[in-house]
Amino acid sequence: SQQGEEDPQALSIQEGENATMNCSYKTSINNLQWYRQNSGRGLVHLILIRSNEREKHSGRLRVTLDTSKKSSSLLITASRAADTASYFCATSLQGGSEKLVFGKGMKLTVNP
Amino acid sequence: ETGVTQSPTHLIKTRGQQVTLRCSSQSGHNTVSWYQQALGQGPQFIFQYYREEENGRGNFPPRFSGLQFPNYSSELNVNALELNDSALYLCASSLRTGLDTQYFGPGTRLTVL
Repeated sequence: SQQGEEDPQALSIQEGENATMNCSYKTSINNLQWYRQNSGRGLVHLILIRSNEREKHSGRLRVTLDTSKKSSSLLITASRAADTASYFCATSLQGGSEKLVFGKGMKLTVNP
Repeated sequence: ETGVTQSPTHLIKTRGQQVTLRCSSQSGHNTVSWYQQALGQGPQFIFQYYREEENGRGNFPPRFSGLQFPNYSSELNVNALELNDSALYLCASSLRTGLDTQYFGPGTRLTVL
């Protein structure tokens, strides 16, 4: 079964709007990473947040992590058409840290 | 660009055949992981190699095997191909297993007929 589950599964917004994606997971983690994937190509790493961190920023991206609720959110501000892609959260598990466990992903469409 | 390359880009095989996929990691990255991504799904962990030794394996049968070489390249071998092996195969390299960002290659799209 999937460790991470993104919510919503699909989101369509207009250029300039903000997009928020949520990820829930089940077991304790070392870190949580967000990736972007365009049209079935390779994954592009966006941001990593460690289990002892609560918030990180990178450009137009803001990630939060709430380990008590086992959830994370990714906020993309001032979205662009080029942000159209699938987004995945992936967790590195405590005690089984050799792999990333991915959710099923969320499809974001940014309309010009 | 992540500096991780994979070959070939696309591959078509028939059921029962064997296939070898290749990956070249970022220089200095001694950890490589392989993932299988079926259409519409998230990537699933196949296995990881650290300094040329297997360092963890997902829920895949033994006909999925791998090698890692000292020059930061690695291989994924799949024997006795089945139709449901059709997927995008991704390799990812990182500095330290489990602790650092994994950088993914563009993937190899395998189709089994």
